[in-house]
Amino acid sequence: AQRVTQPEKLLSVFKGAPVELKCNYSYSGSPELFWYVQYSRQRLQLLLRHISRESIKGFTADLNKGETSFHLKKPFAQEEDSAMYYCALKKGETSGSRLTFGEGTQLTVNP
Amino acid sequence: GAGVSQSPSNKVTEKGKDVELRCDPISGHTALYWYRQSLGQGLEFLIYFQGNSAPDKSGLPSDRFSAERTGGSVSTLTIQRTQQEDSAVYLCASSLSPTRNEQFFGPGTRLTVL
Repeated sequence: AQRVTQPEKLLSVFKGAPVELKCNYSYSGSPELFWYVQYSRQRLQLLLRHISRESIKGFTADLNKGETSFHLKKPFAQEEDSAMYYCALKKGETSGSRLTFGEGTQLTVNP
Repeated sequence: GAGVSQSPSNKVTEKGKDVELRCDPISGHTALYWYRQSLGQGLEFLIYFQGNSAPDKSGLPSDRFSAERTGGSVSTLTIQRTQQEDSAVYLCASSLSPTRNEQFFGPGTRLTVL
């Protein structure tokens, strides 16, 4: 069965510092990976997906199949980045569409 | 347009009672999902509906949990004989299709079982 691991429940950085939220997965096929974000008192929303290979709000994530990782990175963190971040996996395009989520990382960016 | 809506936003019930949680997906979205977010845990998949196909119920934790989707739109998650461990935030999401994977989430229903 597929599994997503986010080793850090809490991550705290200072404004302007680089930030990396780690995500590792286990799945034998070709997965689709996503990062979802939940800001305080807001609903969960998609931040980015690996197939888009885009940068959203300065965040990027590269799928590393060799290391089975999909770490989320931003070179200069901002206070408004403080939120709960979830890494999620889907078992490829033709499979059922359920997402498997990690336990989440609470990011705090201090002024 | 309107996003996914859920009701009630909060529900407090006594152990042993039945509860119904409602989800209105985005109009035109064929796929609908229920997840559960328990304290200190990630989001746990519960059930998935796609059009008129049989739902994927593989995530339901016990036979006390059931869900239906009427007319391909509104969905109701029912928990019978609630237990304290059922306390969680129940999230509903919808997507345009299974392959258009962005799932849009509702605000959730916070269920507290006393």
